[in-house]
Amino acid sequence: DAKTTQPNSMESNEEEPVHLPCNHSTISGTDYIHWYRQLPSQGPEYVIHGLTSNVNNRMASLAIAEDRKSSTLILHRATLRDAAVYYCILRDTTSGTYKYIFGTGTRLKVLA
Amino acid sequence: NAGVMQNPRHLVRRRGQEARLRCSPMKGHSHVYWYRQLPEEGLKFMVYLQKENIIDESGMPKERFSAEFPKEGPSILRIQQVVRGDSAAYFCASKGFEGLAGTDTQYFGPGTRLTVL
Repeated sequence: DAKTTQPNSMESNEEEPVHLPCNHSTISGTDYIHWYRQLPSQGPEYVIHGLTSNVNNRMASLAIAEDRKSSTLILHRATLRDAAVYYCILRDTTSGTYKYIFGTGTRLKVLA
Repeated sequence: NAGVMQNPRHLVRRRGQEARLRCSPMKGHSHVYWYRQLPEEGLKFMVYLQKENIIDESGMPKERFSAEFPKEGPSILRIQQVVRGDSAAYFCASKGFEGLAGTDTQYFGPGTRLTVL
């Protein structure tokens, strides 16, 4: 079963910021939160990850709630190329293999 | 540094044939995961391998599916006697060893899209 909950879809206007939320209420204390995105007919692309503190990179920012039960991926200025399915992922920490458990993700539509 | 490579990108098989999917991990990576994605769904874990070892195959169907990651060469996902329900996109991901404190970030290939006629 997926360990994360995301809205099925969101829309944004081009050049505006986008906030993509994710709930992960069962997160363990040592688990990282990973975000990937998948463009049509491509493999998932790494976006960002974090543990407790907010994180920034050239692609996005990740804001993590103080209790770590939720996080938000922030795209500062959406472009048409950002239209994709965004996955918030936790790993399976019970088996020792740390495989990713994907939910259904959020399909982001960017309007010109 | 080349990314994860998969081939073929598209594979068409008739029912009953065998499908072989190949994955070359990123340079220096010795861990490979295979995932399957049905249309409009998220990826589902199938198997996790390290060089010459299957570590976790809990997501693999019990019959017809097998995987290997030999000491030399790519990882192979093999599907025998394919059926229409095997039609899907198959992705592999690789990671390096980052130790107990590592994030285990996985890097995905472009996928192989299998169509069973």
